Amino acid sequence: DIVMTQSPDSLAVSLGERATINCKSSQSVLYSSNNRDFLAWYQQKPGQPPKLLIYWASTRESGVPDRFSGSGSGTDFTLTISSLQAEDVAVYYCQQYYTIPPTFGQGTKVEIK
Amino acid sequence: EVQLVESGGGLVQPGGSLRLSCAASGFTFSSYDMYWVRQGTGKGLEWVSAIGTGGDTYYSDSVKGRFTISRENAKNSLFLQMNSLRAGDTAVYYCARDRYGGTSGYFDLWGRGTLVTVSS
Repeated sequence: DIVMTQSPDSLAVSLGERATINCKSSQSVLYSSNNRDFLAWYQQKPGQPPKLLIYWASTRESGVPDRFSGSGSGTDFTLTISSLQAEDVAVYYCQQYYTIPPTFGQGTKVEIK
Repeated sequence: EVQLVESGGGLVQPGGSLRLSCAASGFTFSSYDMYWVRQGTGKGLEWVSAIGTGGDTYYSDSVKGRFTISRENAKNSLFLQMNSLRAGDTAVYYCARDRYGGTSGYFDLWGRGTLVTVSS
């Protein structure tokens, strides 16, 4: 199974500041035949199911604010919140779908400083 | 409205069984691979099982031989039959829709989950 490791486990950021979450996969999730990274990001608020934010490592889901962006390729990925808002307090997960089983990172909790 | 609604969770003793259901609405259910993903209290997300549009099934090693996933397209429904339940199966179980439809997938629609508690 591909192991997904996120860092940090938690971070506190001031309102309006940048939040950066890293995700590393134990093997590449870049599919060479279509040059796509099989990596998604989700946001989960307390008591709610996860919500898809980003897929193909950098494609923003419809309706997701443009302060959320994804980058990276191969084994190293980043989710950036460019200007943290109060409603962004949540746990964020990366997930690979390069192969089955799909595997998730352990989650990163984002709080307001 | 496009949605998934899970039901069937509850308290069960170790060794017992439960059958979870997921009712889909607002989209062509038969066109999507469907998944079950679980989350222990205060824990992360763990894939449990998947079923393709053609009925092919996949299971995590932790539930293989104990859980059975199925679907009934005519009723827009997904199921998870859980047998020989263990304390470690205690979690909120989400059904999720796979948009990609490849060998694996990413999930653009989730239900609100149903809680399964395995305890004596």
